[in-house]
Amino acid sequence: QKEVEQDPGPLSVPEGAIVSLNCTYSNSAFQYFMWYRQYSRKGPELLMYTYSSGNKEDGRFTAQVDKSSKYISLFIRDSQPSDSATYLCAFHYGGATNKLIFGTGTLLAVQP
Amino acid sequence: NAGVTQTPKFRVLKTGQSMTLLCAQDMNHEYMYWYRQDPGMGLRLIHYSVGEGTTAKGEVPDGYNVSRLKKQNFLLGLESAAPSQTSVYFCVARGGEMNTEAFFGQGTRLTVV
Repeated sequence: QKEVEQDPGPLSVPEGAIVSLNCTYSNSAFQYFMWYRQYSRKGPELLMYTYSSGNKEDGRFTAQVDKSSKYISLFIRDSQPSDSATYLCAFHYGGATNKLIFGTGTLLAVQP
Repeated sequence: NAGVTQTPKFRVLKTGQSMTLLCAQDMNHEYMYWYRQDPGMGLRLIHYSVGEGTTAKGEVPDGYNVSRLKKQNFLLGLESAAPSQTSVYFCVARGGEMNTEAFFGQGTRLTVV
């Protein structure tokens, strides 16, 4: 079983739609949960991160973590064409282990 | 503020040639990483460093070497390039043990023919 599973998409939605992006993971040692956004031919940039189970909201974006189910989600409200990008989930163990583990990414296209 | 800068941005190599990718960061971050990104495979960790003078192997280290002689620089070397090393390479810098934000360079597109 892969440590992180993420649907590669592509996911195509109309402008204004609510988008749900998801990742499952198998390692219960993960303590930090992150979402990165990567525009075409650019490096990923951090969008949101959470430490515990629950929701975290930032503008149109909401990150949700369910540690009991080993499942994280990113919701985008009122999606815009500028949200078109690849979204990668990422995980970190915390403490002395320094590795960042990434999902394969979901390609999102928001149609105007 | 430049952040993380990778050199070069593009390169074409012939099989068997060697090259060095340079990563420079101006954020005084301790941790630096080299990842490769391939379609369907995501980001895979090649090598990483937790401070000046230290390096460690990641998930896919074979065929690569690294050095961190200065805190701000992290070099990735390809000893004898192979077509399987055709990829986009990203350098990443992160502040410290509890600092989760990782800053990416713009990437190096390497093609080995």
